Amino acid sequence: AQSVTQLGSHVSVSEGALVLLRCNYSSSVPPYLFWYVQYPNQGLQLLLKYTSAATLVKGINGFEAEFKKSETSFHLTKPSAHMSDAAEYFCAVSPINDYKLSFGAGTTVTVRA
Amino acid sequence: DVKVTQSSRYLVKRTGEKVFLECVQDMDHENMFWYRQDPGLGLRLIYFSYDVKMKEKGDIPEGYSVSREKKERFSLILESASTNQTSMYLCASSLPTATNEKLFFGSGTQLSVL
Repeated sequence: AQSVTQLGSHVSVSEGALVLLRCNYSSSVPPYLFWYVQYPNQGLQLLLKYTSAATLVKGINGFEAEFKKSETSFHLTKPSAHMSDAAEYFCAVSPINDYKLSFGAGTTVTVRA
Repeated sequence: DVKVTQSSRYLVKRTGEKVFLECVQDMDHENMFWYRQDPGLGLRLIYFSYDVKMKEKGDIPEGYSVSREKKERFSLILESASTNQTSMYLCASSLPTATNEKLFFGSGTQLSVL
């Protein structure tokens, strides 16, 4: 079974600082990978996805993630944090040609003024 | 705008009660999903459905059942609620693409079982 591990359940950054959220996956073949964001009292929204095209994926709100097969990683970054980035972020993995996504435990981001 | 609507934002039930959580989507999506979200555990798939009257167990189906009589509606049923089913429940839907790359989520139902 495929799974993802998110390193760090909480990340605190200063406004304007780099945001780095770590995600590693376990899979015998490169899967599809996703980052979702959940703002308070809302459902999840797709930030970006990797589906075997370009390894550097750009998403909404200035986020991007790089797929590194050698490290089995798909870390999420944003060069400059904004207060509105405070939310919970989930990494997810799906086998190719499968309906089901498996989610990581989530990382809560707080942004300090 | 696409919409997945969950009927209740907050629900409080007693142990042993039969509980229905309702989810409706207006996007004509074939796939619908029920997840539960718990702190430190992320989202875990309970059941999903890829067509009317079709369902498959997810990773944690025990204590739950589902019903999909119409394409737009997917119900989660707790046959006899227990305190360990206190959780946030999220419904989602998607098109039946191979990548299943975009789930549309409802806002969630916070269920408390006392």
